[in-house]
Amino acid sequence: GDSVTQMEGPVTLSEEAFLTINCTYTATGYPSLFWYVQYPGEGLQLLLKATKADDKGSNKGFEATYRKETTSFHLEKGSVQVSDSAVYFCALRLNNNDMRFGAGTRLTVKP
Amino acid sequence: KAGVTQTPRYLIKTRGQQVTLSCSPISGHRSVSWYQQTPGQGLQFLFEYFSETQRNKGNFPGRFSGRQFSNSRSEMNVSTLELGDSALYLCASSYTGTGQAEQYFGPGTRLTVT
Repeated sequence: GDSVTQMEGPVTLSEEAFLTINCTYTATGYPSLFWYVQYPGEGLQLLLKATKADDKGSNKGFEATYRKETTSFHLEKGSVQVSDSAVYFCALRLNNNDMRFGAGTRLTVKP
Repeated sequence: KAGVTQTPRYLIKTRGQQVTLSCSPISGHRSVSWYQQTPGQGLQFLFEYFSETQRNKGNFPGRFSGRQFSNSRSEMNVSTLELGDSALYLCASSYTGTGQAEQYFGPGTRLTVT
């Protein structure tokens, strides 16, 4: 069935390091893809999205490109900050509005 | 514009009881979805309501039910609570309810079943 697989965490980086969190998906149709971020004690916040192949979503220095040929939507940031420490979820949304989330990747950025 | 609100934020119940959680979507949003988040299972889709009709349902037992009112506010009910129902319950709203529409999440209701 339709699903999302993202790299297991936790991921620990030093401030200003480069970040990549891998995400691949399986879907029968043409899903929209999302990255959400969850800070401690809070709900999910939309970080970025892409709705069709080759679209690039970007926000707050984070980027992800919808790659249909590799069914991937990897999250990247060139220089992470301590404030980026959170749990990141990759998700896909089918046309019937069913949304599937990855397991989440916990990122810790140390000063 | 006010965000998605959920009440209550925290709840403690005992096994066998029932519970009702409430979600108020962003003004103008007609789609409301509910999710269960647990450390073991992650985020799992419960159901989605659009214009007072349940449009999609995840793989949860019938003890989990919901409804949506004409003002788009939604409630979720869990009957005969089990210890395994302890979780963060998240509500999300979107405007059109289509696949491309962004979902905006509330802060969640933390349910503890003892």
